Amino acid sequence: AAGVIQSPRHLIKEKRETATLKCYPIPRHDTVYWYQQGPGQDPQFLISFYEKMQSDKGSIPDRFSAQQFSDYHSELNMSSMALGASALYFCASSLGREGNYGYTFGSGTRLTVV
Amino acid sequence: GNSVTQMEGPVTLSEEAFLTINCTYTATGYPSLFWYVQYPGEGLQLLLKATKADDKGSNKGFEATYRKETTSFHLEKGSVQVSDSAVYFCALDSGGGADGLTFGKGTHLIIQP
Repeated sequence: AAGVIQSPRHLIKEKRETATLKCYPIPRHDTVYWYQQGPGQDPQFLISFYEKMQSDKGSIPDRFSAQQFSDYHSELNMSSMALGASALYFCASSLGREGNYGYTFGSGTRLTVV
Repeated sequence: GNSVTQMEGPVTLSEEAFLTINCTYTATGYPSLFWYVQYPGEGLQLLLKATKADDKGSNKGFEATYRKETTSFHLEKGSVQVSDSAVYFCALDSGGGADGLTFGKGTHLIIQP
């Protein structure tokens, strides 16, 4: 069965560079969520999109932005990154904005800022 | 707001031992509760879930019962294996919108042969 696809799996960037992370949800899922998991930490909700519109916003830093496209894939953009942005970034998708049918997580993108 | 508290690790057990990982929550309304497992270098995988009080979720020998009176969702397994070594996250979904899941801090489980 198709799962949530994230790319790239690993990314190394220098401080103050820009990065774009991509998430392809399960077909027919209309809601996408982004989470950030720092080393040894629990995943923190960043932002979500439902039907291509921003739905909820969590602890997303100001230098981060995201959007959901017409094919429902989503991209998380990070500009002028600091070392603290190094983390594992997860995307999850669901059918419906309240997750009544459950959430499926991708394998994550491990971002390292050097 | 919503919060999840789970026992801190690491938890180290011998193979075939009984496992309990405690999880308690604070939430408004009637949340759904989940246990996710994360193996080294991998993403989060749903282990089991329960959507209403007294529901028992179970999978791969693990089980947890949604206890509304004690606001708990403790994870148990009767006989652990080395392959169960991973980080386990308790999480809740308040169902109030697309704000996703609230996770606990995670419990690192180490099973020794």
